[in-house]
Amino acid sequence: GQQVMQIPQYQHVQEGEDFTTYCNSSTTLSNIQWYKQRPGGHPVFLIQLVKSGEVKKQKRLTFQFGEAKKNSSLHITATQTTDVGTYFCAGRYSGGSNYKLTFGKGTLLTVNP
Amino acid sequence: DTEVTQTPKHLVMGMTNKKSLKCEQHMGHRAMYWYKQKAKKPPELMFVYSYEKLSINESVPSRFSPECPNSSLLNLHLHALQPEDSALYLCASSFQGGETGGTSRVQFFGPGTRLTVL
Repeated sequence: GQQVMQIPQYQHVQEGEDFTTYCNSSTTLSNIQWYKQRPGGHPVFLIQLVKSGEVKKQKRLTFQFGEAKKNSSLHITATQTTDVGTYFCAGRYSGGSNYKLTFGKGTLLTVNP
Repeated sequence: DTEVTQTPKHLVMGMTNKKSLKCEQHMGHRAMYWYKQKAKKPPELMFVYSYEKLSINESVPSRFSPECPNSSLLNLHLHALQPEDSALYLCASSFQGGETGGTSRVQFFGPGTRLTVL
C-alpha cells in the first residue's frame, strides 16, 4: 500500500543546533502537510506544500517539497526548547480520497537546554 | 471560533460500559474525522463524515459507532470496548473546497479524549 517513510524516528539535539526530518513516498503525492504534536498534546497544523520544488519558511522552520513530489523535509535552524515535540508529515495521494492523509511515523525531537 | 473542542478530556470505562465522545467545531467545516492514536504512533484514521454523511469507515469494529447529528457536531459511541482500545481519540475537521491546492483540505485537530478501558 501507499506509505510515507519518515526519518529519523528520534533526534536529540543541544539547544542552538539545527534539526531536519525527512519524508519519502514511493509514489507521487498530491500535497503534503506537516504537523507538530507537543508531548501530551494534539497535532497542530504547520504548513501545506502543493507545488513541485516548493519551499516555504516560517521563522526558523523551512519546509521543502521535492521536484518529483515524492519527498519533503522540515529543517529547524537553531533549535529552542519550545521546538520539542513530534513532527509528522502527512501526504495526500493523487487519485486517492480527498479526505485521507497518510501519516509518516513521526520524528520525536528533544532539545537539551 | 477557530478551534475544535472535544469532551471529555479523560475517560475511564469498563468493558461493559457504554459511553460517548463528543466533538464540536464552529468553523463552518463540512468534513469531520475520528482518529485513534496510540502512544508514540501517528494518528490512525477511523471515520470520515462529509456533509453529515459517513464517507469513510476504515474497517473499524462495530463497538465504535460514529454519529454526525449536524454539521458542527460529531459523536463517537463506545460499547463493549477492549483494553487494547485504550488510546487518545482525536477529532478533526476540514473545509470542503473544490480545489486541492488551497488549505481547504487541511485538517484541524481537537485536543483529544484520553480513553482508558479497564
